Amino acid sequence: EIVLTQSPGTLSLSPGERATLSCRASQSVSSSYLAWYQQKPGQAPRLLIYGASSRATGIPDRFSGSGSGTDFTLTISRLEPEDFAVYYCQQYGSPWTFGQGTKVEIK
Amino acid sequence: QVQLQESGPGLVKPSQTLSLTCTVSGGSISSGGYYWSWIRQHPGKGLEWIGYIYYSGSTYYNPSLKSRVTISVDTSKNQFSLKLSSVTAADTAVYYCARAPDRGPIDYWGQGTLVTVSS
Repeated sequence: EIVLTQSPGTLSLSPGERATLSCRASQSVSSSYLAWYQQKPGQAPRLLIYGASSRATGIPDRFSGSGSGTDFTLTISRLEPEDFAVYYCQQYGSPWTFGQGTKVEIK
Repeated sequence: QVQLQESGPGLVKPSQTLSLTCTVSGGSISSGGYYWSWIRQHPGKGLEWIGYIYYSGSTYYNPSLKSRVTISVDTSKNQFSLKLSSVTAADTAVYYCARAPDRGPIDYWGQGTLVTVSS
């Protein structure tokens, strides 16, 4: 199975700053099969990005995804107060796997 | 708008079988084109995929849980179910049901249900 390693574990930033989250795979992932989710406390995850770089419906354009092969990045261009949350990457080949998450917290 | 809702006991005794059902509304499981999934999240931890089922009954399980997991579908009730046998405290988690298009990411999630394994 493909192991996804996210870094950093925690990112401490201020509103308005840029957030860069990394997801590294143990073997190549088809770019079509890499997604990013946002999860807030007590809520189910929400799809942000699929196919490595396509925004899901209703997702603001401050969220962007990039990467290919084994290295993928989620960028939040300017953090809004509602963006402080935990972010997970997922590869949806077979079998599915998730990264361990990156927490974006207010500095 | 598709909605998924988990139901089942919130407390299960060690060595017993955990059973959960997901009821789907706003869309038909039997229409095809989607994988119906179970995912869990241990308290304060990350997401773990358990397995998924296609409307036809084809199943795919996480290799680490495969020996204990059964996922089934009841298209007449528009439901799918999870059974996890021989549970221990390590199976205490929030369990989510979810939907993913074929070769696609998860687009709809249930709200999640906490299952505690304790005597």
